[in-house]
Amino acid sequence: EVQLVESGGGLVQPGGSLRLSCGASGFSFRSFWTTWVRQAPGRGLELVSIINQDGSEKYYVDSVKGRFTISRDNAKNSLYLQMNSLRAEDTAVYYCARDNWGPEYWGPGTLVTVSS
Amino acid sequence: DVVMTQSPLSLPVTLGQPASISCRSSQSLVHSDGNTYLNWFQQRPGQSPRRLIYKISNRGSGVPDRFSGSGSGTDFTLKISRVEAEDVGVYYCMQATHWPRAFGQGTKVEIK
Repeated sequence: EVQLVESGGGLVQPGGSLRLSCGASGFSFRSFWTTWVRQAPGRGLELVSIINQDGSEKYYVDSVKGRFTISRDNAKNSLYLQMNSLRAEDTAVYYCARDNWGPEYWGPGTLVTVSS
Repeated sequence: DVVMTQSPLSLPVTLGQPASISCRSSQSLVHSDGNTYLNWFQQRPGQSPRRLIYKISNRGSGVPDRFSGSGSGTDFTLKISRVEAEDVGVYYCMQATHWPRAFGQGTKVEIK
């Protein structure tokens, strides 16, 4: 069974940093693109970043470029999102997902709240 | 950037009746490889999204056959042949042909 579980969310002050992790199991993690998608409270979905199988290709939505960094460790079956210079508008549930020309399997999400 | 526009944004439906959601993109979603990467997702209240449909009309694993997708180019439709109570939630289309990928605003399906 494909499983993805996010961790690392929490309350952080504006300008602060947070590192999200996503552990994957039940499939060959190194064979798939993986992605981070976020959802602000009561709002729609936004794909934040995506990374290819070996980490050589990474893409970011404009609103997080220069502040967020996606990475992966295939030996640990893990995906990461380093978030710096956080803003109030980054407050959201962050989901990791296995990608197959679209997020195919999703984790339960982790809540990030940016507030003073 | 590609903009995805869904309609309606709210859809009250009667149990057992059909429902239809439209999704339009601001440019063609045909990829250079010939495929059209248009997805549909369902998000039930309090749950993570779930992919229902990929490449316009292919149902995901375990998705009931009352869900169907159609369309081409810039116009796409998700249909539910007979709405059941468990279909309540928000439905999103999403294009994966161009970067940045884009979701529609979401259509909230509720029972009348």
